[in-house]
Order: sequence, then structure tokens, then C-alpha cells
Amino acid sequence: SYELIQPPSVSVALGQTASIPCGGNRIVSKNVNWFQQKPRQAPVLVIFRDSDRPSGIPERFSASNSGSTATLTISRAQAGDEADYYCQVWDSDAWVFGGGTKLTVL
Amino acid sequence: QLQLQESGPGLVRPSETLVLTCTVSGVSITSSNKYWGWIRQPPGKGLAWVGSIFYGGNTFYNPSLKSRVTMSFDTSRNSVSLRLSSVTAADTAVYFCARDLGVHYGNRYYQSGSFDYWGQGALVTVSS
Repeated sequence: SYELIQPPSVSVALGQTASIPCGGNRIVSKNVNWFQQKPRQAPVLVIFRDSDRPSGIPERFSASNSGSTATLTISRAQAGDEADYYCQVWDSDAWVFGGGTKLTVL
Repeated sequence: QLQLQESGPGLVRPSETLVLTCTVSGVSITSSNKYWGWIRQPPGKGLAWVGSIFYGGNTFYNPSLKSRVTMSFDTSRNSVSLRLSSVTAADTAVYFCARDLGVHYGNRYYQSGSFDYWGQGALVTVSS
């Protein structure tokens, strides 16, 4: 089955740029969605179709997809960005989620 | 404003059937032209897709659960239900329902996995 590999944790200094990678075999050939989840809350869609932002999501959130790695980038990181982030793709008749990355804003 | 609300028993005995309902308000599910999905999250773990359903159209289930899962609509209650049979402790999780933003080509609608509206989630514990 298809695997999406994410680092368990990423840290970023307040106001700096955070990059969260999501690795998968030829992921560039797939559309990647990204979700943000804060403790005890439902996930929130922050990026869909590789790099599109839903309405209401700040421009600070962007993403790219190339080769075997998709990357979520959060510019000018804020304390409120601290959360778990999940990438997701479709493969072999299933939506597959990465294991999630906990973003800590220092 | 679109809202989703999961409901169902918080405790299910092993080998029994888990039944959850997702009540949708703010839009009619029969005319939404959207897929509606269930995603679950075991305590302290990541997200896992359970399945998605389109009114009057296709249903997709996670292959790992396909033999035990059934999703359906109740149009009188504007809701989507999830049935998971023969549950074990491994099925203990918070179950979320969500709307798939979808993709529209011509007169056909496709799921996209872009779940843009979510319910608050319902914790289901499987225990005797």
C-alpha cells in the first residue's frame, strides 16, 4: 500500500518560515491535500490540489509538489500555527494520510 | 452556514456493529452534488479515511475496511450514516464526518479528498 512519510515534528522560530515535507513514491503525479489539526479539534483543510488555498486560509500557507516530496510552507509563523499537519493523496482506491507532523513554534 | 454533527453511542461491545449518523444542516445532501466522507482517528494517532459516498452515485470504502463498512443516506433527516460491523478494540477512535469539496467536470462529479467542512467528531470506544 502507498505510504506518505512525514517527520514526527518540526520546529520554527516565531516569525520565521516552516517547511513540512511529505514524501511518497512519485507523489508529483498525485494531487496533495494538507490538513491542520489543533488539539481536540477537527482537522481544517489548508491546501488542496497541491497548492490551492481554501477561502479563509491566510496567504502565509503555501505548498508545492515535486518529484517524491510535497512540501507545506508556513511563512511568518505565528503561535496559532502550532498544530499537527497531515498530507493526503489518493492511491489504490483509498485516500491515504501521512502520519502527521507536529509543528512547534518557538 | 454548512454544519455537520456526528451522533451515536459512545460505547460499543466487541463483535457488535457501530452505527453513527452525521446530520447535515445548511444544505440539502440530495442536491449538494458533493461526496460525504467518514474519517477516523484512534486516540493519540493519525487520521484514517473510512469511506465516501455520493447521493445517487458511487460509494468508496477503504479496502482495509470494505468487508465491514456500509454508508448510506437518510434523506428524511438530511443525514449520512456509517455502519461498521464486527468491531474490535482497534476500531476505537474519534469518527469525523466531512464534506468533500470535490471536482466537477462536465456533468459528472468526482471526489477530491479535499474535506472542507467537518463535524466535531464522535468518540466511539469498543469495550466489553
